[in-house]
Amino acid sequence: QQQVKQSPQSLIVQKGGIPIINCAYENTAFDYFPWYQQFPGKGPALLIAIRPDVSEKKEGRFTISFNKSAKQFSLHIMDSQPGDSATYFCAASGVGNQGGKLIFGQGTELSVKP
Amino acid sequence: DTEVTQTPKHLVMGMTNKKSLKCEQHMGHRAMYWYKQKAKKPPELMFVYSYEKLSINESVPSRFSPECPNSSLLNLHLHALQPEDSALYLCASSQDLSSRNEKLFFGSGTQLSVL
Repeated sequence: QQQVKQSPQSLIVQKGGIPIINCAYENTAFDYFPWYQQFPGKGPALLIAIRPDVSEKKEGRFTISFNKSAKQFSLHIMDSQPGDSATYFCAASGVGNQGGKLIFGQGTELSVKP
Repeated sequence: DTEVTQTPKHLVMGMTNKKSLKCEQHMGHRAMYWYKQKAKKPPELMFVYSYEKLSINESVPSRFSPECPNSSLLNLHLHALQPEDSALYLCASSQDLSSRNEKLFFGSGTQLSVL
């Protein structure tokens, strides 16, 4: 119930492609769904986040799609660039979940080829 | 200033050593966290401090001892570690635990090797 399942584990796309990373959750008490981007040797950094009252959120080239009934959400990266090569983690939390403790997915290692 | 600063960046220690990891933030955040991250894995929560009081301990072995001297500082004291404790140790902060803004700001971490 506390898990967030993320796929794929790794992804290789050509520059300009649109990588899509998917996550699924079980706990209906989750109400905050962030995506974190992590470069080697660095800590994760918040990329974009969504709450269940909207089905889509865009910030620059990054879009989250959210399907509340299916309990799934995904990250799309438009016009991907080699600089987007990083590990991406989805996560989920709920107000009732120990004060907002984040549950992370297992991560997706993205490689964007020039 | 939106930085979380961690020192040292790298640490090598023997199993009998005592060392400390340090973390500092000046964003006025009242929640601070320690995470452990193994290679190619997500961060695992270890401890959460809220208003300088320990709020969450994720059943972490006693060889890890956290300390929050004030609202800007967070330490992790290490003693008698095992080789399997080698990992990247991340500090993070957020506004607080009760607000609807759960954004975590992570430091760059301390890469710890236990020999």
